[in-house]
Amino acid sequence: DAGITQSPRHKVTETGTPVTLRCHQTENHRYMYWYRQDPGHGLRLIHYSYGVKDTDKGEVSDGYSVSRSKTEDFLLTLESATSSQTSVYFCAISDSTSGSETQYFGPGTRLLVL
Amino acid sequence: QQQVKQSPQSLIVQKGGISIINCAYENTAFDYFPWYQQFPGKGPALLIAIRPDVSEKKEGRFTISFNKSAKQFSLHIMDSQPGDSATYFCAAHNNRKLIWGLGTSLAVNP
Repeated sequence: DAGITQSPRHKVTETGTPVTLRCHQTENHRYMYWYRQDPGHGLRLIHYSYGVKDTDKGEVSDGYSVSRSKTEDFLLTLESATSSQTSVYFCAISDSTSGSETQYFGPGTRLLVL
Repeated sequence: QQQVKQSPQSLIVQKGGISIINCAYENTAFDYFPWYQQFPGKGPALLIAIRPDVSEKKEGRFTISFNKSAKQFSLHIMDSQPGDSATYFCAAHNNRKLIWGLGTSLAVNP
């Protein structure tokens, strides 16, 4: 998985609680992405980062926030979890210095909001 | 708005057959078109990719055909094997972001 870890790998939480997912990379890649994957919807971009402290919204950013204080870590926070946020969350990284647009994915976090 | 339309949603092929998955896009600013393969419980992994100045790219049993004028591209899997059973996603790149198709679930029967 290209030096990408995600934690936790599985989480069950209750509606209304905050949840933070962590993505950690050892590749020193500049770009990091958070996606959610749901049946029938494919992969949808939540937020992405193009450098430390530089982030931007994706197509489904409502209810999510992110932070990137170090190159290697990109955190996704569900401010107040809802059942509609039950999903599989993937982190991806991309290296702009090589001119490649390839995104490499982590193993995913399966989140269940009850 | 679905900017990358992928078909079929599911596909069943016999071992040794050819699997064909199609994608169509609208935005002419897209500059890179990858295909990803995903097995259950795993993250997507890059399979093969093409740029719009090339009409075809082949890597082993996998070939991308690209038609710039029609704004379409397709993945061909020759001599399909049971191990190819997975979900396949096409995507298109613009401005450091990928726009994804909805995926095709491929089952190769032994």
